[in-house]
Amino acid sequence: EPEVTQTPSHQVTQMGQEVILRCVPISNHLYFYWYRQILGQKVEFLVSFYNNEISEKSEIFDDQFSVERPDGSNFTLKIRSTKLEDSAMYFCASIGSYEQYFGPGTRLTVT
Amino acid sequence: GNSVTQMEGPVTLSEEAFLTINCTYTATGYPSLFWYVQYPGEGLQLLLKATKADDKGSNKGFEATYRKETTSFHLEKGSVQVSDSAVYFCALSDPRDTGRRALTFGSGTRLQVQP
Repeated sequence: EPEVTQTPSHQVTQMGQEVILRCVPISNHLYFYWYRQILGQKVEFLVSFYNNEISEKSEIFDDQFSVERPDGSNFTLKIRSTKLEDSAMYFCASIGSYEQYFGPGTRLTVT
Repeated sequence: GNSVTQMEGPVTLSEEAFLTINCTYTATGYPSLFWYVQYPGEGLQLLLKATKADDKGSNKGFEATYRKETTSFHLEKGSVQVSDSAVYFCALSDPRDTGRRALTFGSGTRLQVQP
C-alpha cells in the first residue's frame, strides 16, 4: 500500500539554526500539507500546497517557514531560524480523494 | 471559523467495555468528518470517515454516524481491546470551492484499556 514517508524521524537542532524536514507524498496525490503537534496538544495545520504554490496557510506559518517541492517527489518544510517553541512533531500529509494520508512524522527538538 | 470539540480524556476502560468518545463540530457548509487514531510513538492513521449527513463510517469495530441535526460525530465501539489504547482525534474538512481544505482537529482523547 502506498504511504507518505518522512525523514528524518528525529531532528535535534540548536536555537537559531535552519532545519529542513523532508516528505515524500503518495505519488499520484496533488495536494500536500504540513501540520505540527506540540507535545500533548492538538494537531495544528500549518500550510497546504498545490500546483507548486501555497494554497492555504495558518497564522502559525510566518516568515520563518517556507515550503518547496524541489523535484517530482519531495516536499520540504524549512524553518529558517528555529526557536525553542518550534519543538514539536511535524506531520506531512497528502490527499487522494477525501482523506488525507499522514506520514509518521518528524520529531523536532530545538535546544 | 471551523472548530471541533472532543470530550476530555483520558478515558480508562476495562477490556470488552463499551466505548463512546464524543465529538461535536462547528462549520460553515457541509464538512466531511473523520476520526484519526495515533498509537504510541506513531503518526496519525485514518480510522473512519463520513462525507454527508446520516453517513455511518466504520472500521475495525469502530463506528461513527454523521449527525447534522446535532452537529456530532461520536465514536463508538462495542467491545474495546487493550490494543485500542491510543489517542483518538476527531477532525473535519470543509470541502468548499477549493475542494482540498485543511483539516481542523479536535484536541484528542486518550483511551487507556486495561486488561
